[in-house]
Amino acid sequence: AQSVAQPEDQVNVAEGNPLTVKCTYSVSGNPYLFWYVQYPNRGLQFLLKYITGDNLVKGSYGFEAEFNKSQTSFHLKKPSALVSDSALYFCAVRDWSDNAGNMLTFGGGTRLMVKP
Amino acid sequence: KAGVTQTPRYLIKTRGQQVTLSCSPISGHRSVSWYQQTPGQGLQFLFEYFSETQRNKGNFPGRFSGRQFSNSRSEMNVSTLELGDSALYLCASSFPSGGYNEQFFGPGTRLTVL
Repeated sequence: AQSVAQPEDQVNVAEGNPLTVKCTYSVSGNPYLFWYVQYPNRGLQFLLKYITGDNLVKGSYGFEAEFNKSQTSFHLKKPSALVSDSALYFCAVRDWSDNAGNMLTFGGGTRLMVKP
Repeated sequence: KAGVTQTPRYLIKTRGQQVTLSCSPISGHRSVSWYQQTPGQGLQFLFEYFSETQRNKGNFPGRFSGRQFSNSRSEMNVSTLELGDSALYLCASSFPSGGYNEQFFGPGTRLTVL
């Protein structure tokens, strides 16, 4: 079984400050990890993914995430937040050692609020 | 390249009715997955179709079903609607793979059951 935890329901940050949205995962095998963002009344937009290789992955809109196998974490970061980054962020995991096709397991989501 | 499209965008039904939602994937994508999003349960996987075959199914009752056509378009059906079925239903498409390709999501169908 696989699971994802996003421990913060909401993260508040001032514009221009760095932001971190936390994610920890649990899989029996090895993970593929994804971050998605959702704006109001919209579907999910892909931000970045970790498959293998370099633990620091860079994605869209200046976001990056660091894979930490020992801590089973995949925190999303951005050096300088924008008001337009305010949205709902989801972390998702896929255990590539099972046979579950493309099924993703999502965390509960973290609402990011960036204040001017 | 056109994105994933879902129709209708909004739907209001009453308890006991049935509903069919449609999803057209990105051209060339043969895998289509469906997710249910609710405030209480979050995002939950319903099922995935690839080459007209259901490849995986989430933990939902048999009232939830789906199918995929030869052009990769997919439909999901919910029979005997219950109030708890009110949700945003999201469709996602991707290249078939071992799961490492990202999924592209449509805007969703907002279903309200009265």
